[in-house]
Amino acid sequence: EAQVTQNPRYLITVTGKKLTVTCSQNMNHEYMSWYRQDPGLGLRQIYYSMNVEVTDKGDVPEGYKVSRKEKRNFPLILESPSPNQTSLYFCASSSLRDLGHYGYTFGSGTRLTVV
Amino acid sequence: GNSVTQMEGPVTLSEEAFLTINCTYTATGYPSLFWYVQYPGEGLQLLLKATKADDKGSNKGFEATYRKETTSFHLEKGSVQVSDSAVYFCALKDDFGNEKLTFGTGTRLTIIP
Repeated sequence: EAQVTQNPRYLITVTGKKLTVTCSQNMNHEYMSWYRQDPGLGLRQIYYSMNVEVTDKGDVPEGYKVSRKEKRNFPLILESPSPNQTSLYFCASSSLRDLGHYGYTFGSGTRLTVV
Repeated sequence: GNSVTQMEGPVTLSEEAFLTINCTYTATGYPSLFWYVQYPGEGLQLLLKATKADDKGSNKGFEATYRKETTSFHLEKGSVQVSDSAVYFCALKDDFGNEKLTFGTGTRLTIIP
């Protein structure tokens, strides 16, 4: 089944403790992206990647890092999480050729709470 | 820059009522337009899309028509069901080589029996 898999689904952590949220897709998509979803703000892009070893900042990149060492994986790293990073996070992917016609395929989300 | 404006929610309707969720956009050129649906506890799923002016996207009884003259892409359904309760997002992708989808803030829809 074609899908984007995120882990974990739920995570509670303490301020300053480094964490990684994993994202993997099995569709050989070039494009991958991370979004955060907050009430009243919709989805905001954190980082994106056009292909292996090619990453760039989105609209709200502060406090986050990403890497794209393999085409299928695009982990989101929070080096020193803070409470304002409490949010619902989504990974998404797309074929560059099909993006304008089919949009993104989304993962199921990771609900992160930083206390 | 690009932007998407959706009607404020939440929206509560009775089963079998007619649904409209308004969406207008700001973008240069001819963007592709999408409606995504997010069921409780799940990720976003593509509901329907339109890639050029006057196109009508449709799926699961939902429809939306790409109106270039009013820069709108309103979502409609003639008779909603309890299972349609979800959050609906309007989104666009511009045609200038920018791969980012720009989303609206979402509209929460609740259908009561």
